[in-house]
Amino acid sequence: AQSVTQLDSHVSVSEGTPVLLRCNYSSSYSPSLFWYVQHPNKGLQLLLKYTSAATLVKGINGFEAEFKKSETSFHLTKPSAHMSDAAEYFCVVRGDSNYQLIWGAGTKLIIKP
Amino acid sequence: GAVVSQHPSWVICKSGTSVKIECRSLDFQATTMFWYRQFPKQSLMLMATSNEGSKATYEQGVEKDKFLINHASLTLSTLTVTSAHPEDSSFYICSARLAGGGDEQFFGPGTRLTVL
Repeated sequence: AQSVTQLDSHVSVSEGTPVLLRCNYSSSYSPSLFWYVQHPNKGLQLLLKYTSAATLVKGINGFEAEFKKSETSFHLTKPSAHMSDAAEYFCVVRGDSNYQLIWGAGTKLIIKP
Repeated sequence: GAVVSQHPSWVICKSGTSVKIECRSLDFQATTMFWYRQFPKQSLMLMATSNEGSKATYEQGVEKDKFLINHASLTLSTLTVTSAHPEDSSFYICSARLAGGGDEQFFGPGTRLTVL
């Protein structure tokens, strides 16, 4: 069975500094992995996805994630945080059946001015 | 493209009444739609998977008689919370997968249900 673990419930960084949101996955086969962002009072938005192509995946708004099979990780990074990046971020893996998505617990990103 | 809408965006109802939430794919056909529930400050919990023209598949622990799902067309799925109680108050989110598409799901903005 597939699962994801987001290692931090909250991450706080200063504006202009790098962002690192950590995610580890468990999968019995080559997984499809996603990062979604949820801003307050807005729908979930796909940031990026990995589907067994390039291991470094570039997404929207300057985010990227690197798939590391040896570490079973799919951490999300951004070189320089903006205030508008403050939101909840979810690491997600595709499940076994019917295109189900298995969700991590979420990481709240806080940006300090 | 790939826009999903939900209606209503928020609803307040009395205990014991039923509430219907609509999920529409506006510019694409969706053979599969998903219904999630999100408690405050928590992740999404999949409630059921809805395939057009067939019965929904419910996750373990979700009461199918309480949460009625209908997926009558390729662009519309509805979730009806029957005989709602305060513990049903939550944020309900739907998503849709493109017919013939890959893994990506497109999410609606969610519906905030408050049961008094």
